[in-house]
Amino acid sequence: EAGVTQFPSHSVIEKGQTVTLRCDPISGHDNLYWYRRVMGKEIKFLLHFVKESKQDESGMPNNRFLAERTGGTYSTLKVQPAELEDSGVYFCASSPKWADYEQYFGPGTRLTVT
Amino acid sequence: GDSVTQMEGPVTLSEEAFLTINCTYTATGYPSLFWYVQYPGEGLQLLLKATKADDKGSNKGFEATYRKETTSFHLEKGSVQVSDSAVYFCALGVMNSGYSTLTFGKGTMLLVSP
Repeated sequence: EAGVTQFPSHSVIEKGQTVTLRCDPISGHDNLYWYRRVMGKEIKFLLHFVKESKQDESGMPNNRFLAERTGGTYSTLKVQPAELEDSGVYFCASSPKWADYEQYFGPGTRLTVT
Repeated sequence: GDSVTQMEGPVTLSEEAFLTINCTYTATGYPSLFWYVQYPGEGLQLLLKATKADDKGSNKGFEATYRKETTSFHLEKGSVQVSDSAVYFCALGVMNSGYSTLTFGKGTMLLVSP
């Protein structure tokens, strides 16, 4: 069974540009989460989808971030326009059922904004 | 709000040494506690978990006991190997309206030399 995959693995962009990160969860997993780790700090929750619906987006830092999960399969996280403080590693995780603690994480996308 | 504090790294040990990585938490409600591990170039993997007070989680020789009285979940291993070199994250999860999100510590890098 394939794990959670993320693309790209690394992205380097200039301040003001747009970047779109993609996450493919494990097939059949209804829950999809986005997290972010800024250098040297905690991994912080961004948002949670149940199928295609946003269940909780309380962790999204501001309106420059837009997450979608059309059709309840893969998800994208767009940052527009990117700022220097957006640099970090963005993790995606999925879990197979409602109220299940065990989340399966992808390898992350390292975003560098210069 | 909920928070997790874990010891700063890196922790540098020789092979077969005893490992302790301290983790304490603050949470409302009744959290479950986790240790995740990130090996170089890979995603986060669940190492072990404990869902209630006095539970002991164990996996691959690692152990941690959920101590409610000291709000701690310290990770231990009796004899580390070079292959244990990784970043270890302590985390807690609290149910919120039927689902959970994870709150992580900053991570502790472990370096094991032969």
